[in-house]
Amino acid sequence: GAVVSQHPSRVICKSGTSVKIECRSLDFQATTMFWYRQFPKQSLMLMATSNEGSKATYEQGVEKDKFLINHASLTLSTLTVTSAHPEDSSFYICSARDQNNQPQHFGDGTRLSIL
Amino acid sequence: GIQVEQSPPDLILQEGANSTLRCNFSDSVNNLQWFHQNPWGQLINLFYIPSGTKQNGRLSATTVATERYSLLYISSSQTTDSGVYFCAVTWYSSASKIIFGSGTRLSIRP
Repeated sequence: GAVVSQHPSRVICKSGTSVKIECRSLDFQATTMFWYRQFPKQSLMLMATSNEGSKATYEQGVEKDKFLINHASLTLSTLTVTSAHPEDSSFYICSARDQNNQPQHFGDGTRLSIL
Repeated sequence: GIQVEQSPPDLILQEGANSTLRCNFSDSVNNLQWFHQNPWGQLINLFYIPSGTKQNGRLSATTVATERYSLLYISSSQTTDSGVYFCAVTWYSSASKIIFGSGTRLSIRP
């Protein structure tokens, strides 16, 4: 089946640093990738949608300068949390799909802790 | 935008019991998925079920698109079934996005 690899699985870093999270589709071409954020005991909230070779579309309330998304190839999207602060601590999950109306396949998530 | 509501929010059962989880959505959808999120945060895709009924072992799901709801049935629960169950929909007005429901937190006691 379709596999999405997300790396790293856990990050602990100091306030003010930038953190990059990678999302790779291993056995299919992901024309669209999605980034979600999940706070403890809450649901997943869509942050942005990225199509290969295009600028990401951000959901309302998500700062595009804070959360930089790059989808430079059909198998890789990256999310960079710039100048991270403790309130950015959360669980970030990516997903990917190859075309419309197909299931999204999810990575295992990245637990980000900012001290 | 579309609203996706799940019930019950929490469910505690003894091992061996059966359960039914419900997902209501406020608009027409073209896709619906059920996920199980385990204690490590991994999302396990259970069913891709925009309509009809599917079964996989002890789990089955039914979506009645015309009435805007889906049900997930878990029979003979095991402790490994514990976790959070999410339904997620892709709706016609925005075919690209998945909107997640609020989830049902299931705890199976030995």
